[in-house]
Amino acid sequence: DTEVTQTPKHLVMGMTNKKSLKCEQHMGHRAMYWYKQKAKKPPELMFVYSYEKLSINESVPSRFSPECPNSSLLNLHLHALQPEDSALYLCASSQVGILRGPNTEAFFGQGTRLTVV
Amino acid sequence: KNQVEQSPQSLIILEGKNCTLQCNYTVSPFSNLRWYKQDTGRGPVSLTIMTFSENTKSNGRYTATLDADTKQSSLHITASQLSDSASYICVVGGSNFGNEKLTFGTGTRLTIIP
Repeated sequence: DTEVTQTPKHLVMGMTNKKSLKCEQHMGHRAMYWYKQKAKKPPELMFVYSYEKLSINESVPSRFSPECPNSSLLNLHLHALQPEDSALYLCASSQVGILRGPNTEAFFGQGTRLTVV
Repeated sequence: KNQVEQSPQSLIILEGKNCTLQCNYTVSPFSNLRWYKQDTGRGPVSLTIMTFSENTKSNGRYTATLDADTKQSSLHITASQLSDSASYICVVGGSNFGNEKLTFGTGTRLTIIP
């Protein structure tokens, strides 16, 4: 199983709503990532979790709240978002400790297309 | 500042033809260089990964090259197919306190026409 599964695939939410994005992998990876990608732009790193602990926060606004309840799951809680937060949100995972190895892979999910209205 | 630049921004070629995409980077320290294929609205899919000691790596019709001295990479696609239409993203991995940070290029949008 080399899949990173993201749900939902599409999400439309109002600026006062609270919603969550979910990401799951069963490859035994201990590093998981959230990226935000606007149209025709490269993905931008938001958060990195390493061994279920937040290791990198790229100065993301507090209306985005990540959570890693266990080694297979990664959530992104959304609250009071703005229309400019509309984007494709990508989750990725990789194996911690051998990130510099020649065969290390970072696997991406298919993304959640988020629209804030 | 770590940067990854790709060229051309977009490319249109006939089905069956070959093409080469370019990537220049200034990421330091360098860990590895990856090429991803991304269909519109989908997540990136890995094509190749190379460390500084590898000059070339192939994955089917895709062949990536790396010159760590000049900090350049290329992705060559042979006998293009309509399904090759996608964005191709060059991504450079660098170390950040033991965690890898990936610096993404802006991609080359490749369109294959019949």
